[in-house]
Amino acid sequence: KAGVTQTPRYLIKTRGQQVTLSCSPISGHRSVSWYQQTPGQGLQFLFEYFSETQRNKGNFPGRFSGRQFSNSRSEMNVSTLELGDSALYLCASSPNPGQGRDEQFFGPGTRLTVL
Amino acid sequence: SQKIEQNSEALNIQEGKTATLTCNYTNYSPAYLQWYRQDPGRGPVFLLLIRENEKEKRKERLKVTFDTTLKQSLFHITASQPADSATYLCALDRGAGSYQLTFGKGTKLSVIP
Repeated sequence: KAGVTQTPRYLIKTRGQQVTLSCSPISGHRSVSWYQQTPGQGLQFLFEYFSETQRNKGNFPGRFSGRQFSNSRSEMNVSTLELGDSALYLCASSPNPGQGRDEQFFGPGTRLTVL
Repeated sequence: SQKIEQNSEALNIQEGKTATLTCNYTNYSPAYLQWYRQDPGRGPVFLLLIRENEKEKRKERLKVTFDTTLKQSLFHITASQPADSATYLCALDRGAGSYQLTFGKGTKLSVIP
């Protein structure tokens, strides 16, 4: 089975721009979560989707949004980019509804640099 | 406020010894606790999951304990090897009705030959 894929792998943007990141989960996985990872804050939860519905959202401003499609693929969008948005964005998929009982399979991440 | 703390940012250990990593939490009542390994430039990889009613879980050279009274999990790697060098992350669920994991900041383990 192919793993979680994320595109693009690297992205450079300037302040004020917006960006869309894409994630394809493992085939058959219906839950997709997004995380932001920075050296100072570590891995922080952004949101989780299951069957096209957002079930949980982390403490991030409304500039961060996401969606999930019927084939479980997911996108996240960051509008009006700020320097502090520079980070590794990780997508993870799980086979079943979470509640922490399922391992998460992570993609390689998208490295976003905001200049 | 809720906190997850991993005892140290970095841990150096001699090859062949047992590495012990600590994860402490406050103001959580997790039903599950997970451990992940992350190598530079890559996403985390799942290692072990332990439930609140389990005291200990083993997988090959790995052992995890979960003490809900102390609010602590210990992660052990026995007979450590240089290939075990990586950052190890603990992650907690946030209880019933939640579908998110909250991660500690990780401990970078270096196994010295």
